[in-house]
Amino acid sequence: NFMLTQPHSMSESPGKTVTISCTGISGSIASNYVQWYQQRPGSAPTTVIYEDDKRPSGVPERFSGSIDSSSNSASLTISGLKTEDEADYYCQCYDDTNNLDVFGGGTKLTV
Amino acid sequence: EVQLVQSGAEVRKPGESLKISCKGSGYKFSTSWIAWVRHMPGKGLEWMGIIYPADSDARYSPSLQGQVTISADKSISTAYLQWNSLKASDSAMYYCARSGGVGYNYDHWGQGTLVTVSS
Repeated sequence: NFMLTQPHSMSESPGKTVTISCTGISGSIASNYVQWYQQRPGSAPTTVIYEDDKRPSGVPERFSGSIDSSSNSASLTISGLKTEDEADYYCQCYDDTNNLDVFGGGTKLTV
Repeated sequence: EVQLVQSGAEVRKPGESLKISCKGSGYKFSTSWIAWVRHMPGKGLEWMGIIYPADSDARYSPSLQGQVTISADKSISTAYLQWNSLKASDSAMYYCARSGGVGYNYDHWGQGTLVTVSS
């Protein structure tokens, strides 16, 4: 089955840059769109990146997304970290073999 | 304004049935997909399944097939997630989310419904 693996947790200081990876297992991550969601405690997820590298209105330019076909992975980069960026981050992609969506296991970001 | 409003928290005993709801407003409900996502305590998000309200075309995660039923009533802009026999392991927060289809962005989410199954 297609799976997405993320680091369980990451920690970085305010003002720094962090990159969260999302690696596809048993399937190509580059052949379908990747979305990234931010979830703060007690709240529903919200989109920070969609269709690999697009930002919804209202999401700061500090958030960016990219795809690396050679490593079958997607990345979410947050620059100029703020304490408000502390949250869980999930990647999501389509499993075209089974016609369903898959979420990564999530990365807990501490700022 | 697009909104998805879910039904309130539920407490049930193992073996009982349950149906939770997700009402959409501010857009054409029938022609956007609605997915259900489970968030178990201390775990990550889990995609459960998705439905297209216009024709009730529903798809399920293989791991949950047969354990839940996803349905929709487009006349009242509401999607449902149903269990016939709950287990303690079904205790979780359940979110509905709107999408343009499988593989696309979930651009609006409900506030979540907390389901607790305990004897």
